[in-house]
Amino acid sequence: DVKVTQSSRYLVKRTGEKVFLECVQDMDHENMFWYRQDPGLGLRLIYFSYDVKMKEKGDIPEGYSVSREKKERFSLILESASTNQTSMYLCASSHAGTAFRSPLHFGNGTRLTVT
Amino acid sequence: AQKITQTQPGMFVQEKEAVTLDCTYDTSDQSYGLFWYKQPSSGEMIFLIYQGSYDEQNATEGRYSLNFQKARKSANLVISASQLGDSAMYFCAMRGPGTSYGKLTFGQGTILTVHP
Repeated sequence: DVKVTQSSRYLVKRTGEKVFLECVQDMDHENMFWYRQDPGLGLRLIYFSYDVKMKEKGDIPEGYSVSREKKERFSLILESASTNQTSMYLCASSHAGTAFRSPLHFGNGTRLTVT
Repeated sequence: AQKITQTQPGMFVQEKEAVTLDCTYDTSDQSYGLFWYKQPSSGEMIFLIYQGSYDEQNATEGRYSLNFQKARKSANLVISASQLGDSAMYFCAMRGPGTSYGKLTFGQGTILTVHP
């Protein structure tokens, strides 16, 4: 079974702090994704990566950056946390090259509160 | 651009009855894939079922089936014989041919509550 592990289940940070959310997958997947989930808005894509050191912006990248130094690890960085970044953050991975039917495999999520 | 719409914020069903969760999508592509995920209160996203736009049969996985109506651009999830453990948030998602590196576009979600 694919395992996607997010380092923290709950985080509480102060406004202006730099925040790191870590994600590790153990299935040698090429693609990794960061989504945020908000009530009534579903999941929205922040950033994704298709290879080591390669990244692309998703739909809502403002205020975030990412790092992928190793294939199995994908980090989401909030450069200066703000209260509107309080949300559930979900990491996912998928195998490349399987056309449409390859599902995303998700971690359990990190619920971040910025005060 | 692709868009997924789930118009039911919440649904209620009696245990052992069937329930349909609605999903409509908007795309100009001819080739695409549709997914349903379940998110229990624990937060994990569980992949349930997949339907390809060129699949001739509606997808089924155990108690889950997908009522795919291509002309109407709808991909409703049908859960038969509901169980208490089916209480969760359900998301519809899609992927199109121009989608960069396999990302999925998600709908807003529907909260399903199963009553005993």
